[in-house]
Amino acid sequence: EVQVVESGGGLVQPGRSLRLSCAASGFSLDDCAMHWVRQAPGKGLEWVSGISWNSGTIEYGDSVKGRFTTSRDNANNSLYLQMNSLRPEDTAVYYCAKGNAYDLRGAFDVWGQGTMVTVSS
Amino acid sequence: QSALTQPPSVSGSPGQSVTISCTGTNSDVGSYNRVSWYQQPPGTAPRLIIFEVSNRPSGVPDRFSGSKSGNTASLTISGLQAEDEADYYCSSYTASSTSVFGTGTKVTIL
Repeated sequence: EVQVVESGGGLVQPGRSLRLSCAASGFSLDDCAMHWVRQAPGKGLEWVSGISWNSGTIEYGDSVKGRFTTSRDNANNSLYLQMNSLRPEDTAVYYCAKGNAYDLRGAFDVWGQGTMVTVSS
Repeated sequence: QSALTQPPSVSGSPGQSVTISCTGTNSDVGSYNRVSWYQQPPGTAPRLIIFEVSNRPSGVPDRFSGSKSGNTASLTISGLQAEDEADYYCSSYTASSTSVFGTGTKVTIL
């Protein structure tokens, strides 16, 4: 079964850091771009970041640029999101999503169940 | 990057059809056939139902169809069923090599 599973969420104070992980199974990570999408409580979806199959292209949404870093380890079928200088407005469910293309132009065809990140003092 | 514009809500009776619009700009929807649609029932993760404007992934009923004209994409749900009640989001690739989602539309079955 093709699936992705996020982990690493939790409660963190403003200004601190957190690292999310996404474990892929049932497919090879070499074959696709990967993305992070978040959803604040009661709000809509927001694209956070995308990384191409070989890490050659990495892009971020304006609200996280300069604070978040996306990386991947294809050998271990894993995706990561390093989140620094966290703000209360970063509070959201963070989804890992598989792209259906090698580059960032594809749709998001497999989603995890999400991991909750709460930024609060 | 501003969110794509969708109507907050649409409703219809079982068996009827509803159409959800998704309006962007010539930097996203208008320039790329990389528009996709997602269904999100309450408390669940989103699910891809349309990619590249009008293509359905395997397992998605043909009641769901997509189209695009200029800067506006549309999702039509024909023959509404109770299980179609959910939030729906469009998404587009952009000229900045990023993606952007729509504001979301709640579909209610009357």
